[in-house]
Amino acid sequence: DAMVIQNPRYQVTQFGKPVTLSCSQTLNHNVMYWYQQKSSQAPKLLFHYYDKDFNNEADTPDNFQSRRPNTSFCFLDIRSPGLGDAAMYLCATSRGTWGPTDTQYFGPGTRLTVL
Amino acid sequence: DQQVKQNSPSLSVQEGRISILNCDYTNSMFDYFLWYKKYPAEGPTFLISISSIKDKNEDGRFTVFLNKSAKHLSLHIVPSQPGDSAVYFCAGTQGGSEKLVFGKGTKLTVNP
Repeated sequence: DAMVIQNPRYQVTQFGKPVTLSCSQTLNHNVMYWYQQKSSQAPKLLFHYYDKDFNNEADTPDNFQSRRPNTSFCFLDIRSPGLGDAAMYLCATSRGTWGPTDTQYFGPGTRLTVL
Repeated sequence: DQQVKQNSPSLSVQEGRISILNCDYTNSMFDYFLWYKKYPAEGPTFLISISSIKDKNEDGRFTVFLNKSAKHLSLHIVPSQPGDSAVYFCAGTQGGSEKLVFGKGTKLTVNP
C-alpha cells in the first residue's frame, strides 16, 4: 500500500541530457512537492503544486521544471543536467490545509547520477 | 544561510539509554517545528511536532522540547531501541506555510 511512489529509484544520465523523474500518489492530496537533497545536506524545496497552481522557490534554477498533469502524478524535468545536479530527489505530498496536522508524506526518492 | 542547524552529524547510544538530538534555528518567525525520521532507502516520515507556543510535546517514547529564548529544540527518545537507528531531521515552518526548512540531519545509531 505504497502512498508516494517515485520512479525510477536510480537514474543515470549524461551531462546535458534531459531527464524526467516521476512521482505518483495514492493519497489524493492537493499538494505535491519536489525537494533536492545533496549528500550530507538538508533537503531543499525546489517547488510545489497546490492542485494545478505552480509555486517556484526563488532560488530554484531555471534548469528545473515541473509538470502536474493530474492529481496523482507530478514530474520533475531537468533540462540540461550538470554535474552539480547529482542528488537525491524527494517527492512529497500533503493535504494543503497548512495547519499543524498537515503532515508531508515523502516518497523513497530518486537518486540521480550525472556522468 | 542555514536557518535550521543540526550540528551533530551522528550520535551513538546504548539500547535502553536516552537519545538526545539537538537542533538550533535562526528564523524567529518559525512557529512550528517538526522532526522527521529517515531509514535508508526510504523517504523521511513524520515523527513528532511542536508549536512555538508550547515548550514540550510528548508522544510515547518521544518528547520534543522547545526553548524559544535560546532558539533551540531537542528530541528525546527514552528508552532507545535498535529500531530507532535512522537519520533524524529537524524542520521549521512559519505562519501555516507549506514550506518546511530542514536541517542536515543527525544519524542515530542505537547499539544492542
